[in-house]
Amino acid sequence: GAVVSQHPSRVICKSGTSVKIECRSLDFQATTMFWYRQFPKQSLMLMATSNEGSKATYEQGVEKDKFLINHASLTLSTLTVTSAHPEDSSFYICSARDGAALPYNEQFFGPGTRLTVL
Amino acid sequence: ILNVEQSPQSLHVQEGDSTNFTCSFPSSNFYALHWYRWETAKSPEALFVMTLNGDEKKKGRISATLNTKEGYSYLYIKGSQPEDSATYLCAFSGGSNYKLTFGKGTLLTVNP
Repeated sequence: GAVVSQHPSRVICKSGTSVKIECRSLDFQATTMFWYRQFPKQSLMLMATSNEGSKATYEQGVEKDKFLINHASLTLSTLTVTSAHPEDSSFYICSARDGAALPYNEQFFGPGTRLTVL
Repeated sequence: ILNVEQSPQSLHVQEGDSTNFTCSFPSSNFYALHWYRWETAKSPEALFVMTLNGDEKKKGRISATLNTKEGYSYLYIKGSQPEDSATYLCAFSGGSNYKLTFGKGTLLTVNP
């Protein structure tokens, strides 16, 4: 149980284009989903938290107009990197939380997406 | 800014060796400490959630301890196997706001 999928696993795009990454909870309802970013040799850094049906809460320094997050259902959240630039090249990973089942902030992770912007 | 530190950054051991790593975290406003095991190209896998000072948890050959007063947790692997090779992450949760603050991880390589 508690499987989270993420697609695509790898994407290469041209500078100025937009890229959408999907995160799905496959066998539970994710009341909250999280998006992280990891630069080389750095830790996973939380970008934003989204609750189903609500606007995402962004961490300080993360541009909400650049990283659009949608969490329209209890099993799907999407992250769209708009007008991507080479500095947006990174590893993006989502996680999901089943608030009804687990009390200690346990999060289940997808396998991540490697974004390369040329 | 919360500081979660893991050491060592990387570690090479021989099959059969026992090993341990450290995670240090803020000792104030503690809620939970999470350990994850992350193999390349896979999802991070939850190993333990530790919540009480003095907690000790075990899963097969892997165990973990927690000291919330001094702000550290140890992860132990007994009789390492090549399949234990992975990055081990710890994450601190302070309060009930669901946010996790991660360390950079310890990359373990077990040589056959």
